[in-house]
Amino acid sequence: KAGVTQTPRYLIKTRGQQVTLSCSPISGHRSVSWYQQTPGQGLQFLFEYFSETQRNKGNFPGRFSGRQFSNSRSEMNVSTLELGDSALYLCASSLTSGKTDTQYFGPGTRLTVL
Amino acid sequence: GEDVEQSLFLSVREGDSSVINCTYTDSSSTYLYWYKQEPGAGLQLLTYIFSNMDMKQDQRLTVLLNKKDKHLSLRIADTQTGDSAIYFCAESIGGRRALTFGSGTRLQVQP
Repeated sequence: KAGVTQTPRYLIKTRGQQVTLSCSPISGHRSVSWYQQTPGQGLQFLFEYFSETQRNKGNFPGRFSGRQFSNSRSEMNVSTLELGDSALYLCASSLTSGKTDTQYFGPGTRLTVL
Repeated sequence: GEDVEQSLFLSVREGDSSVINCTYTDSSSTYLYWYKQEPGAGLQLLTYIFSNMDMKQDQRLTVLLNKKDKHLSLRIADTQTGDSAIYFCAESIGGRRALTFGSGTRLQVQP
């Protein structure tokens, strides 16, 4: 079974632009979560989607948004990019949204904002 | 409140045991996890423990949980150079999907 895939793997944008990152979960998985990893703040939860609905949201500004499609693929969007948005964005998928379900992570998308 | 703390760095010799420690503050944590991250890669789930357990063993990995002290440890037996990576502990509070991660411990294995 293929793992979680994220595209693109690397991205360079300038301040003020917007960006869309994509995540394809493991086949059969319906829950997708997004995390931001930075040297200063570490790993922080962004949001979780299950069956096309946002289930949980972390403490991030409204510039960060996401969605999930009927095939469970998910996208996250960051508008009006700031230098501090430079980070590794990790996506994790799990079978359901149950508390016992293991989250499997993708390799991440490294976003650099200039 | 939610806070997970880890020491930043651990260096061991190949063949020795490694013990990576983690403390957490939220007593309602239900699941505690250990993830491994190699350079340029995502997070690999190593193991997890439910909060009503004291210990879990999985091949070279042993997880110990002390709920009274809110202390979690990961012991890697016979550490190999391939174990060099950053290890994160994470908690799932009240069964929520959002994981709260520690800052990570960089394990360096010297040959």
